[in-house]
Amino acid sequence: GAVVSQHPSRVICKSGTSVKIECRSLDFQATTMFWYRQFPKQSLMLMATSNEGSKATYEQGVEKDKFLINHASLTLSTLTVTSAHPEDSSFYICSASGGRGYNEQFFGPGTRLTVL
Amino acid sequence: AQRVTQPEKLLSVFKGAPVELKCNYSYSGSPELFWYVQYSRQRLQLLLRHISRESIKGFTADLNKGETSFHLKKPFAQEEDSAMYYCALTQGGSEKLVFGKGTKLTVNP
Repeated sequence: GAVVSQHPSRVICKSGTSVKIECRSLDFQATTMFWYRQFPKQSLMLMATSNEGSKATYEQGVEKDKFLINHASLTLSTLTVTSAHPEDSSFYICSASGGRGYNEQFFGPGTRLTVL
Repeated sequence: AQRVTQPEKLLSVFKGAPVELKCNYSYSGSPELFWYVQYSRQRLQLLLRHISRESIKGFTADLNKGETSFHLKKPFAQEEDSAMYYCALTQGGSEKLVFGKGTKLTVNP
């Protein structure tokens, strides 16, 4: 149990386009979802926290208009990278909590975004 | 601000040898500490957390508040332990995780 999926696993897009990444909790209701960014050989950096039905809380330095997060249901959160540029190329990982265990976050497999 | 430091980017040991992955933190309150593991081509998953005081896959970690450390230990490493290990903390009731930069453990046959 407690599986989180992400779609797509890999996406390549042109500079200036927008890309949407989906994060789903498959077998539990996720009251909170988190979005992380991971640069090559670096740690995960929390971008934002989202709760179902409310606005996401962004970490300092993360552009809200650049990275749009929607948590429309207890099983789905989306991250839209708007007007993507090459510097947005990265590995984006979501996690969800609300399943078994105290505050345990369950991670998705990640999405590799490459902006040309 | 809270910070998690993993001083070793790479750690290589032989099978059967003891292994210790270091983790130090800086936080003024009472954090909750975790170790996450990421095996090759797999997602990040929780290995253990300090409040559970349990041993998972032979690994243990003790929170030392005096030294602000949460080192991960295993007395006899196995090849299947080769993975990326991340130390992380949450602060006082928050669910937000702060990760260290990770240590890549390689267990050689």
